[in-house]
Amino acid sequence: KQEVTQIPAALSVPEGENLVLNCSFTDSAIYNLQWFRQDPGKGLTSLLLIQSSQREQTSGRLNASLDKSSGRSTLYIAASQPGDSATYLCAVHGGSYIPTFGRGTSLIVHP
Amino acid sequence: EAQVTQNPRYLITVTGKKLTVTCSQNMNHEYMSWYRQDPGLGLRQIYYSMNVEVTDKGDVPEGYKVSRKEKRNFPLILESPSPNQTSLYFCASSSAQDRERYGYTFGSGTRLTVV
Repeated sequence: KQEVTQIPAALSVPEGENLVLNCSFTDSAIYNLQWFRQDPGKGLTSLLLIQSSQREQTSGRLNASLDKSSGRSTLYIAASQPGDSATYLCAVHGGSYIPTFGRGTSLIVHP
Repeated sequence: EAQVTQNPRYLITVTGKKLTVTCSQNMNHEYMSWYRQDPGLGLRQIYYSMNVEVTDKGDVPEGYKVSRKEKRNFPLILESPSPNQTSLYFCASSSAQDRERYGYTFGSGTRLTVV
């Protein structure tokens, strides 16, 4: 059974720092990996999706990488801002239609 | 705009009073799913559907029912809600053919409180 782990569980950084969120998974037979952002009490907004054949995806200050062989993905946030404060979830999509979610990393960027 | 729409956004109800949370998607997706999210427990899948008239249990199906009579709609039914079903609920959908490229789309959530 696929297991997804996100480290760290919580992170607090000063504004302007570059930071890395980690996601690891146990079964490398995946279709894609998707990073989501969730604001408190709100829905999940898709940030980036990396297909199994891809190594990375970029959107603005965000860069996500995927290493299937080692079962790892990272989300890199450049020049963090207070508006980046949220919970970041990764979801791994395998052979079934059921994605497996990590527990998330709660990020606080303070001014 | 491609989206998953849930209603209502907020709901307070009493124990035992049947309720339905609606979910509709306009992307012609085959796959739809319901999740609940609780502090410290993450997202847990309640039920999912691979297509019309095809539904299956997720990790926490007890106390819930679903139906998939039309492709676009996937309502979540609580026949006799109890306080332990107080939670934040999400509906999600995905294309069977294009899920590798497009992944999953989530609704905005329904905050349910059962008193």
